Amino acid sequence: SQKIEQNSEALNIQEGKTATLTCNYTNYSPAYLQWYRQDPGRGPVFLLLIRENEKEKRKERLKVTFDTTLKQSLFHITASQPADSATYLCALNRGYNKLIFGAGTRLAVHP
Amino acid sequence: GAVVSQHPSRVICKSGTSVKIECRSLDFQATTMFWYRQFPKQSLMLMATSNEGSKATYEQGVEKDKFLINHASLTLSTLTVTSAHPEDSSFYICSAREVREGEKLFFGSGTQLSVL
Repeated sequence: SQKIEQNSEALNIQEGKTATLTCNYTNYSPAYLQWYRQDPGRGPVFLLLIRENEKEKRKERLKVTFDTTLKQSLFHITASQPADSATYLCALNRGYNKLIFGAGTRLAVHP
Repeated sequence: GAVVSQHPSRVICKSGTSVKIECRSLDFQATTMFWYRQFPKQSLMLMATSNEGSKATYEQGVEKDKFLINHASLTLSTLTVTSAHPEDSSFYICSAREVREGEKLFFGSGTQLSVL
């Protein structure tokens, strides 16, 4: 069956360091992959989309890589700040219209 | 970016009652909206795809008679949890795509349902 796996353990890092989150998937051949941020009790907010033919995408302090051979995406936040503390979700398209989410990784950035 | 408004944000109800949740696209038209539910520290689970003017498409294992979806206009979809039971307590979130924004989803702020 199709699976999306994100590290369920919280990631704790020091302010100013780079946070790296991992998303692995099996039995999927997604056309694109997306990353979202979710704060407690709120709906997710879109961050970045990367397509299957793209290796890397950047937006300000964020960087996403997509390795379709490894079936893995890495999400990096450079110069992390306490305000970056949240849960980060990866999502893959299933078919044309549907988006399926991983369980998310909680990031805590400490001053 | 596009804005999706969801109401109410929190509802507490007695077992056996029905609860309606509204999802509105405020500044765009959404022919398709998606309903998810989320248990604590778990993934968003897609429940159904709501299509304007036609019947919703439900994911496997989701009871369509229990979770009634109506998408009567291009800016409004509603989810009604009928005869709610404590196991229906969850965080329900709607989302929509804005055609000009491509494949990204815009989410409402969610509804925390607690069934006593």
